[in-house]
Amino acid sequence: EIVLTQSPGTLSLSPGERATLSCRASQSISSSYLAWFQQKPGQAPRLLIYGASTRAPGIPDRFRGSGSGTDFTLTISRLEPEDFAVYYCQQYGGSPLYTFGQGTKLEIK
Amino acid sequence: QVQLVQSGPEVKKPGSSVKVSCKASGGTLNNYTISWVRQAPGQGLEWMGRIIPLLGIPYYAQKFQGRVTILADKSTSTAYMDLTSLRSDDTAVYYCAGDSMTGRGWFDPWGQGTLVTVSS
Repeated sequence: EIVLTQSPGTLSLSPGERATLSCRASQSISSSYLAWFQQKPGQAPRLLIYGASTRAPGIPDRFRGSGSGTDFTLTISRLEPEDFAVYYCQQYGGSPLYTFGQGTKLEIK
Repeated sequence: QVQLVQSGPEVKKPGSSVKVSCKASGGTLNNYTISWVRQAPGQGLEWMGRIIPLLGIPYYAQKFQGRVTILADKSTSTAYMDLTSLRSDDTAVYYCAGDSMTGRGWFDPWGQGTLVTVSS
């Protein structure tokens, strides 16, 4: 089973600051199959990044995905108030077919 | 883009079953695989299984094998998730989510979620 471990569990930052979220896989995965989602309370997850680094349509360019192998990163360059949410990484192709990280909560400091 | 519209909240007794639907709006499910993902209160996301509606072929996560059935009705562009032998720890929001037929590897679109509460 491929396990995705996200860190930190909670990140406390102020608007305008830079956020760096990590997702580490228990074994190497294809960059093509690594995605990031944002979830706000009471809402379904929203696709931000797919293929490790491609922004989904409509996603601002302050969101950037990077990484390969077992280490992936989501960077938000300048936090806006609407960016405070929970972020999940997700992989495809292992066992189970899809797995998610446990999430990073980005909260206002 | 297709939108996925799910059925309403459910309250069920332990040991019973629940069936949640997911209907395509503005298109069909023919170009998608439809997965079911659940989220217990305050917890993360858990993939349960998927179906290829065009072919009717399901595939389940091992954890849910024997307890979940995923179906699709091509004529109404609706997918269903049936979960049996409900327990209190099945209380969660259940989402349907679409990946492409060729398996792009990510979910977009998502349904709005259906809260299933299991309580005696």
